Amino acid sequence: DAKTTQPNSMESNEEEPVHLPCNHSTISGTDYIHWYRQLPSQGPEYVIHGLTSNVNNRMASLAIAEDRKSSTLILHRATLRDAAVYYCILRDVGEYGNKLVFGAGTILRVKS
Amino acid sequence: EAGVAQSPRYKIIEKRQSVAFWCNPISGHATLYWYQQILGQGPKLLIQFQNNGVVDDSQLPKDRFSAERLKGVDSTLKIQPAKLEDSAVYLCASSLDRGDYNEQFFGPGTRLTVL
Repeated sequence: DAKTTQPNSMESNEEEPVHLPCNHSTISGTDYIHWYRQLPSQGPEYVIHGLTSNVNNRMASLAIAEDRKSSTLILHRATLRDAAVYYCILRDVGEYGNKLVFGAGTILRVKS
Repeated sequence: EAGVAQSPRYKIIEKRQSVAFWCNPISGHATLYWYQQILGQGPKLLIQFQNNGVVDDSQLPKDRFSAERLKGVDSTLKIQPAKLEDSAVYLCASSLDRGDYNEQFFGPGTRLTVL
């Protein structure tokens, strides 16, 4: 499984945008970039995913570098409810299909 | 739409005892996963089912852990006998199928403490 590197923690002010970086220099051409987040005392939840193009949904935006060796999850206006651990995951379209390999993630703290 | 249900939410046992966790996935979801999450780490996949068949159990400690998914719906994960290092949150997740773009939906987890 290809590896990702994320900062251990980040801090943001409420109502401001947050850019969460992820490095994946060993990404292969068929690896999708997925982001999940885990709020305190809950299971992880899906945020967004992409392959090559930037993606937007109601929760966030995903900006993917042209060489695909890095990506950034963008929360446009952080709220206190966005405080969570954010996981950047590469998923290869392989034998087992939908398999997620989680790293330690980035702990996002949001200040009011 | 009801989410993934798990029970119990919390369990405290002594080492060498047995314990079982139950999971009810989202209706219609063919794929079911069990993860182990140790404090401070990301979840680690233990076993993956497609309907009632095992797809991947490469990280399941088979000397003490077992899992089944009867009739392709509910699933149970058992630990027998438990060790101190099994203290963790056990998460169940489900997805429509094994397709790459199918998101996984997670339950709230069962927090196991082994004394």
